[in-house]
Amino acid sequence: GAGVSQSPRYKVAKRGQDVALRCDPISGHVSLFWYQQALGQGPEFLTYFQNEAQLDKSGLPSDRFFAERPEGSVSTLKIQRTQQEDSAVYLCASSLEHGNTEAFFGQGTRLTVV
Amino acid sequence: AQRVTQPEKLLSVFKGAPVELKCNYSYSGSPELFWYVQYSRQRLQLLLRHISRESIKGFTADLNKGETSFHLKKPFAQEEDSAMYYCALRNTGGFKTIFGAGTRLFVKA
Repeated sequence: GAGVSQSPRYKVAKRGQDVALRCDPISGHVSLFWYQQALGQGPEFLTYFQNEAQLDKSGLPSDRFFAERPEGSVSTLKIQRTQQEDSAVYLCASSLEHGNTEAFFGQGTRLTVV
Repeated sequence: AQRVTQPEKLLSVFKGAPVELKCNYSYSGSPELFWYVQYSRQRLQLLLRHISRESIKGFTADLNKGETSFHLKKPFAQEEDSAMYYCALRNTGGFKTIFGAGTRLFVKA
């Protein structure tokens, strides 16, 4: 693939519904990040994976948020019982390795909870 | 507290004029500083990082540790520079990147 791919691009969920957002990183990239970007704000860190290991999930706003990367490639961010404040753009980024390498971002998934 | 502050939400300049996008940070360790750019309908991408000390698309940024600033500058703005710009920091060798709220640059013809 040419870059980080996220799906769906847009998601409308009714309050209380569960959603799953997918991220396909660049092939071979070890590091994977999820960010949440609310309207008019910069991206806020949610969680970080190095291969399949979730090394930091300190940014996940509540226990309704769960992320996984079981085979060290594709990652899924799941939000249970969505609430209106979850409405945001969810960005995924990957980098070749940990540390001093550039992170490449996906186009994001815009989640709207109604 | 770790924080990145971009005081201007919107900056409008004429083509050919100098531009400076301000960024201040607060961080207790040894941070790496970055500027990211997002052009209309495109994904967020890295513009430059302070450790590279390079000029990208005519933009430069100098880390001033005394003033805890990392302002982005370009001597002559072009219309194609119109975009959203985010300043960001990361602990040296770390992975958690903290972004500012962004400044929208609009370059008028």
